[in-house]
Amino acid sequence: QQQVKQSPQSLIVQKGGISIINCAYENTAFDYFPWYQQFPGKGPALLIAIRPDVSEKKEGRFTISFNKSAKQFSLHIMDSQPGDSATYFCAAALIGYNKLIFGAGTRLAVHP
Amino acid sequence: NAGVTQTPKFQVLKTGQSMTLQCAQDMNHEYMSWYRQDPGMGLRLIHYSVGAGITDQGEVPNGYNVSRSTTEDFPLRLLSAAPSQTSVYFCASRWDRRSTDTQYFGPGTRLTVL
Repeated sequence: QQQVKQSPQSLIVQKGGISIINCAYENTAFDYFPWYQQFPGKGPALLIAIRPDVSEKKEGRFTISFNKSAKQFSLHIMDSQPGDSATYFCAAALIGYNKLIFGAGTRLAVHP
Repeated sequence: NAGVTQTPKFQVLKTGQSMTLQCAQDMNHEYMSWYRQDPGMGLRLIHYSVGAGITDQGEVPNGYNVSRSTTEDFPLRLLSAAPSQTSVYFCASRWDRRSTDTQYFGPGTRLTVL
């Protein structure tokens, strides 16, 4: 049973465009939603995270939008750059609980 | 700090062989975990540890053993390798068991089982 569904599987964006990756979760008890970025040959690294008490969180060109009623959250990358080309994973967890549940990942390619 | 280190980077095994994937961290982190990454499956938790001497199962524990005798080290053992265990394995650590704490991943071990 996939608790966190991520789409699309792959995404191609032109330099300067907006990249949007979506995730949906099933467990309404989840209360922590991080995004991880992974470059080829490297381990994932935390990019940005949000709690459900806010609808949006922005860090530089990266924004998480959160819709609690729809049980969905998304990552927006503004002014996408070739250096943003990587695989992005959304995740969900219960605060105070040990486990992060990851989505399947989205491979982003930003073309110059 | 070296962060989270993993050895080896690549490994090829034959079906039925055993091996240990090594993981070490020098950040004095309490929580350590092992994930496997497969195409289209994301990262799936194999085993985790909330401190020395304490381990527990994740989503896909079958075929793997772990132990945590020190804070720094968290090896993953494959007792009898199977082709289904072909994957990229990541070790991760964080300061404590709270899921909101930043989790640091190692560079991964790419394992092929023939």
